[in-house]
Amino acid sequence: DADVTQTPRNRITKTGKRIMLECSQTKGHDRMYWYRQDPGLGLRLIYYSFDVKDINKGEISDGYSVSRQAQAKFSLSLESAIPNQTALYFCATSDTGQGKVYNEQFFGPGTRLTVL
Amino acid sequence: QKEVEQDPGPLSVPEGAIVSLNCTYSNSAFQYFMWYRQYSRKGPELLMYTYSSGNKEDGRFTAQVDKSSKYISLFIRDSQPSDSATYLCAMPQGAQKLVFGQGTRLTINP
Repeated sequence: DADVTQTPRNRITKTGKRIMLECSQTKGHDRMYWYRQDPGLGLRLIYYSFDVKDINKGEISDGYSVSRQAQAKFSLSLESAIPNQTALYFCATSDTGQGKVYNEQFFGPGTRLTVL
Repeated sequence: QKEVEQDPGPLSVPEGAIVSLNCTYSNSAFQYFMWYRQYSRKGPELLMYTYSSGNKEDGRFTAQVDKSSKYISLFIRDSQPSDSATYLCAMPQGAQKLVFGQGTRLTINP
């Protein structure tokens, strides 16, 4: 099945460590997104990419970086993790093709990150 | 003020009840209105969407948009325990991204 996968699903790390979250998709979509979800705050956009050469900051990009290694792969890095980056992280994809629901996004299962 | 406001709940109702979930928004340029459903330990999935004002029905679910009041609703009839989830409203902001509400956590009790 065409899908969006995220690795790892759970991660516990310490303050100051570098960590990478990975996202892969087999949907053939051109657009990919990284969100974080916190209780009471909903989903907030960190970065998004419309193709391999296009990377854009979202509303909360400070402390994060991304890499679009291929159309199907989009990774999120925390260069020096801090406790307030403890959250649920989601990768999503969307397709700009004709006949598609306007900006419908398809989400991965999420990565639960804890920074101690 | 957030562009999209949604009461995070939690909301707990008995099985069979009619559920009403709501969002308000401030940007009058929003044209599409989406509802995502998120089960525990899963990513959100699109449940329904509407364009502009009016109602849209899909089985037990009805999405309603009132652009004059900047208010959208999702109604669930004959609610089932399997409807227990977090429901998020979302609106496309241009062609780039979605703006999400905070999500309402709903529990349907058997």
